[in-house]
Amino acid sequence: DIVMTQTPLSLSVTPGQPASISCKSSQSLLQSDGKTYFYWYLQKAGQSPQLLIYEVSNRFSGVPDRFSGSGSGTDFTLKISRVEAEDVGIYYCMQSIQLPWTFGQGTKVEIK
Amino acid sequence: EVQLVQSGAEVKKPGESLKISCEASEYSFNTYWIAWVRQMPGKGPEWMGTIYPGDSDTRYSPSFQGQVTISADKSIRTAYLQWSSLKASDTAVYYCARQARLLHYYMDVWGKGTTVTVSS
Repeated sequence: DIVMTQTPLSLSVTPGQPASISCKSSQSLLQSDGKTYFYWYLQKAGQSPQLLIYEVSNRFSGVPDRFSGSGSGTDFTLKISRVEAEDVGIYYCMQSIQLPWTFGQGTKVEIK
Repeated sequence: EVQLVQSGAEVKKPGESLKISCEASEYSFNTYWIAWVRQMPGKGPEWMGTIYPGDSDTRYSPSFQGQVTISADKSIRTAYLQWSSLKASDTAVYYCARQARLLHYYMDVWGKGTTVTVSS
């Protein structure tokens, strides 16, 4: 299985300040078609995970533009330009280049 | 609205069997894979396996192969996850989620989850 490792495991952010989460995969997520099959999800308290970013840097429908994704190969980053109260929750990275699809262990984001 | 509606919470004893369900609406059920995802208390999600209702092609994560059975009934647009003999370690929230392809895609629609508690 591909192992996804996130850092940090928790983050406390002042509203309006930026935040950054890193995810590293144990194998490259770059496929021969030139696409990289890497995603970010947010799980708010008591809810199902919701897709934020697909294929490294594409925001899913309805996701605010303060969220951005970057990276390549095995190293990826999610940035929130200005954290808002509604951004609290646990952020997970995920890969789907190979079965089984695997998730990172999660980064808990809270507001100071 | 595209939805996946999951069955209600279950409380079971070790050794008992269980089948939970996930009913799809407002999209072509036969042409999307339905995945099952386990989330143990305080842990991250784990992809357990997936089924293509159109032809019942089913794939399992090695971690879950032989531990659970995934099935679907396309006549009633419903996918299932079942256990023949539950263990305390099966206590978790189980989500179903839609994925458009077996690989190289994402899960875009999720059910609200079914909480399974296994305790003597």
